[in-house]
Amino acid sequence: GAVVSQHPSRVICKSGTSVKIECRSLDFQATTMFWYRQFPKQSLMLMATSNEGSKATYEQGVEKDKFLINHASLTLSTLTVTSAHPEDSSFYICSASSGTGYGYTFGSGTRLTVV
Amino acid sequence: QKEVEQDPGPLSVPEGAIVSLNCTYSNSAFQYFMWYRQYSRKGPELLMYTYSSGNKEDGRFTAQVDKSSKYISLFIRDSQPSDSATYLCAMSNNFNKFYFGSGTKLNVKP
Repeated sequence: GAVVSQHPSRVICKSGTSVKIECRSLDFQATTMFWYRQFPKQSLMLMATSNEGSKATYEQGVEKDKFLINHASLTLSTLTVTSAHPEDSSFYICSASSGTGYGYTFGSGTRLTVV
Repeated sequence: QKEVEQDPGPLSVPEGAIVSLNCTYSNSAFQYFMWYRQYSRKGPELLMYTYSSGNKEDGRFTAQVDKSSKYISLFIRDSQPSDSATYLCAMSNNFNKFYFGSGTKLNVKP
């Protein structure tokens, strides 16, 4: 089945630094990838949709200059949290679609803690 | 009004019980309905997928969609402690954007 690998699974960084999270589709080409944010006991909040080779589409209220998304290939998308602050601490999850099949495959998530 | 409403629980049941998880939604254009299971600190994994109305069964899991009532359900028969997780419903009208429920936390006690 489709597998999405997300790395790192957990990261702690200092306030003001940047953190990059990678999302890779291991056995399929992902034409579209999604980045979500999940707060404790809350649902997944879609942050942005990225299509390979084009700019990401950000949801309302998501700062595109703070959350940089790059989808340079059909198997890799990255989310960079720039100038991280403690309020950026959250669980970030990517999902990918090959454009066929059912639903989307999720990565295992990245727990970001900004101290 | 949220697009998708889901009771957050927690729902605690004894092993072997039948579990009923539900979501309601407001957008009548939704036609793709999914149930995901999420273990603590992990990404969601797809359990069931249903298109439009009707029932779908897969082992101990049955998904039901009632579009007239804008109501979907997931039933788990013979629940096991390993079923303890958070269950998220998700739905979409065109596969371009999915709307998730807040998740119901299920605890199956041995």
